[in-house]
Amino acid sequence: QKEVEQNSGPLSVPEGAIASLNCTYSDRVSQSFFWYRQYSGKSPELIMSIYSNGDKEDGRFTAQLNKASQYVSLLIRDSQPSDSATYLCAVSGGSYIPTFGRGTSLIVHP
Amino acid sequence: DGGITQSPKYLFRKEGQNVTLSCEQNLNHDAMYWYRQDPGQGLRLIYYSQIVNDFQKGDIAEGYSVSREKKESFPLTVTSAQKNPTAFYLCASSASVYEQYFGPGTRLTVT
Repeated sequence: QKEVEQNSGPLSVPEGAIASLNCTYSDRVSQSFFWYRQYSGKSPELIMSIYSNGDKEDGRFTAQLNKASQYVSLLIRDSQPSDSATYLCAVSGGSYIPTFGRGTSLIVHP
Repeated sequence: DGGITQSPKYLFRKEGQNVTLSCEQNLNHDAMYWYRQDPGQGLRLIYYSQIVNDFQKGDIAEGYSVSREKKESFPLTVTSAQKNPTAFYLCASSASVYEQYFGPGTRLTVT
């Protein structure tokens, strides 16, 4: 059974701080890693994808992948109240069908 | 604009009735998926299709059925055999191995 684990939170950070969201996965042959943002009552929106070890930056978002440790993280710099949402980690391997974590709730307070 | 549409946004049905949720995409994606999301839960895969006229059961297919007669369309029928059908249903599509994109979802309430 492939598993993707995330701390459910909530993770509370002040406006302007760095929010760090973490995800671990069980399937060692996983190849593709995704972060989605889901606002309450809305559908998930893809914000980052990463396929190789290291960091990938896109604006205020940085995804970090460490396949040896089976760990992927998402950093949000200069957090804004509008970043308050649930962040879903998804991991896929040879079948290309992603397994989703349950998500981490992020609250950015002014 | 390219994207995924789901209809209706909200759906109310009486217990014992079958109901069909619509999902259409114009992204020219080969693969389409149906997920169910319950409060506080992650996404659970119901069915997926990687090519027209072919589909596979996901983790929770019991009580659901699908068809894939056209590349653009992947409707989901929630049958009366589904014990707890009230949920948020999400359709997604992807270009084979790449990231999935989600539609806006249909919130189904069965009473």
